[in-house]
Amino acid sequence: QSALTQPASVSGSPGQSITISCTGTSTDVGIYNLVSWYQQHPGKAPKLMIYEVSKRPSGVSNRFSGSKSGYTASLTISGLQAEDEADYYCCSYAGSITYVFGTGTKVTVL
Amino acid sequence: QITLKESGPTLVKPTQTLTLTCTFSGFSLSTSGVGVGWIRQPPGKALEWLALIYWDDDKRYSPSLESRLTITKDTSKNQVVLTMTNMDPVDTATYFCAHRRDRGGPFDPWGQGTLVTVSS
Repeated sequence: QSALTQPASVSGSPGQSITISCTGTSTDVGIYNLVSWYQQHPGKAPKLMIYEVSKRPSGVSNRFSGSKSGYTASLTISGLQAEDEADYYCCSYAGSITYVFGTGTKVTVL
Repeated sequence: QITLKESGPTLVKPTQTLTLTCTFSGFSLSTSGVGVGWIRQPPGKALEWLALIYWDDDKRYSPSLESRLTITKDTSKNQVVLTMTNMDPVDTATYFCAHRRDRGGPFDPWGQGTLVTVSS
């Protein structure tokens, strides 16, 4: 059970859109639509942003959206804002009620 | 409102056993489908899922750590306890617990986390 692969860093200017990828395998992202995304500011607990690939919890801005194609899930942040600067982690169900997180992506707002 | 809070030692010695407690409110672990999970994060590194326990006492562990982990629940006290044996400096991390509304649901919300340092 290896960690899902994310880019180490992604950056964008305010107002732009960025996309973070999360690549897994045929035993996790590839066969289950149970991918979630978490935002973590420094020194804080992770916060749920997207679940079940593309569903947004109440209270989360509609600037955050999720999708999946094959073995890769993606999180898109549109209209980038300074407050979006944080670390982002994906997480997938990996069968037998086990889970795997991604390697994490640092988002920088230029 | 669901809240969770982790507690336990901040410093343990190598080879010792770590015992962490997650005390929660706003839900019951006797409610069908509900679960509590543990996740850790070494300083400056990524999140790592450790273990899960559900309302029906179904327990799941990370395959890479299964031999060292035990998760239990005390429904009357609204607590979940995680023990990890044979601690090593590489186990130094912030340990989080988190709520799950059902087996397919996400980890939401999370506790604030507790930093555990392993050092002699």
